[in-house]
Amino acid sequence: KQEVTQIPAALSVPEGENLVLNCSFTDSAIYNLQWFRQDPGKGLTSLLLIQSSQREQTSGRLNASLDKSSGRSTLYIAASQPGDSATYLCAVSGSSNTGKLIFGQGTTLQVKP
Amino acid sequence: DGGITQSPKYLFRKEGQNVTLSCEQNLNHDAMYWYRQDPGQGLRLIYYSQIVNDFQKGDIAEGYSVSREKKESFPLTVTSAQKNPTAFYLCASSLRWDGEQFFGPGTRLTVL
Repeated sequence: KQEVTQIPAALSVPEGENLVLNCSFTDSAIYNLQWFRQDPGKGLTSLLLIQSSQREQTSGRLNASLDKSSGRSTLYIAASQPGDSATYLCAVSGSSNTGKLIFGQGTTLQVKP
Repeated sequence: DGGITQSPKYLFRKEGQNVTLSCEQNLNHDAMYWYRQDPGQGLRLIYYSQIVNDFQKGDIAEGYSVSREKKESFPLTVTSAQKNPTAFYLCASSLRWDGEQFFGPGTRLTVL
């Protein structure tokens, strides 16, 4: 059974710092991995999608990497801003053709001005 | 303005009532999903549909029902058989089953 873990559960950093969020999964047979952002009481905003054949994806100040063999992904946020404060969720799509996402519990990020 | 809409934003249900949550998308996506989010449990899949007039149970389908009569609509009914329905419900869609999933703003359901 696929399990997704995100460490740490919470993170507080000063504005301007570069930071890394971690995601690990137990079954390397994934189809893709997606990173999301969730603000309190809101829906999820898709940040990056990495297909299983890819090693990384970049969007603006965000860079996500994928190491399928070790069951790990990282989300790198450069030059963090207070507006980056949110919960970041990692989700993997298994190899079965359902599209079902298995989510981690998330990392809640606070960026202090 | 393309996107996914969910209504209502807040919903209150009395014991024994069935309630229906609306999910509409104008992205021309084939696949649609319903997830439930509970504190400390993360998101879990309730039902999914890869194409019109077809849908499949997810991990926690008991006490829920869905329909997919139109490509753009995927309503979720929470029946009285669902013992603990208080949660945040999120609808998502993707172009194909293997594509990037996009989420709606959510409906918060509370049982009175």
